[in-house]
Amino acid sequence: EPEVTQTPSHQVTQMGQEVILRCVPISNHLYFYWYRQILGQKVEFLVSFYNNEISEKSEIFDDQFSVERPDGSNFTLKIRSTKLEDSAMYFCASRGGLAYNEQFFGPGTRLTVL
Amino acid sequence: DAKTTQPPSMDCAEGRAANLPCNHSTISGNEYVYWYRQIHSQGPQYIIHGLKNNETNEMASLIITEDRKSSTLILPHATLRDTAVYYCIVSYNNNDMRFGAGTRLTVKP
Repeated sequence: EPEVTQTPSHQVTQMGQEVILRCVPISNHLYFYWYRQILGQKVEFLVSFYNNEISEKSEIFDDQFSVERPDGSNFTLKIRSTKLEDSAMYFCASRGGLAYNEQFFGPGTRLTVL
Repeated sequence: DAKTTQPPSMDCAEGRAANLPCNHSTISGNEYVYWYRQIHSQGPQYIIHGLKNNETNEMASLIITEDRKSSTLILPHATLRDTAVYYCIVSYNNNDMRFGAGTRLTVKP
């Protein structure tokens, strides 16, 4: 069964450093998403991406964040200058198309900012 | 913020039906009700969705009240593997999914 994959599973970085989290959505899916979940808290929507542009973003997704689909298969989330409060689990998700209602989530990347 | 209200926790005996309620009194006419669950720290998993009719799939049933202000997710024969946090989400486009705190369901032997 096709699945969303994410790398790395765990990333440790120093405050102020840039990180790139990588996702490979399910092939032929058209909509892509990033969410985060701070330990013990709820899953928070960050951004949705369709047709090579951001379609929606939350108030969390500020100028420190950016997304890209560089090569037609990977979908990346970049955090330019990490803060301690960016420590969280980051989930990527993809959806087939307008008629498809299910978002498929990846296993997540745990980001730890020291 | 999430537009739904769910009880923070529920218990269910293994093999029995688990009925998880959700209030969404401010739901708009074009908004769907979605249910996802999260087992431990894994990525959320889609369960079911509906607009106004009751829905059933291989995982669960979704009962939506006639006024659409509340719904109930039913797991007909809960197993230990159904222990998870269950999220009820209201969305019109399945794009901007706002998760709330959910209901932590514990299935007990």
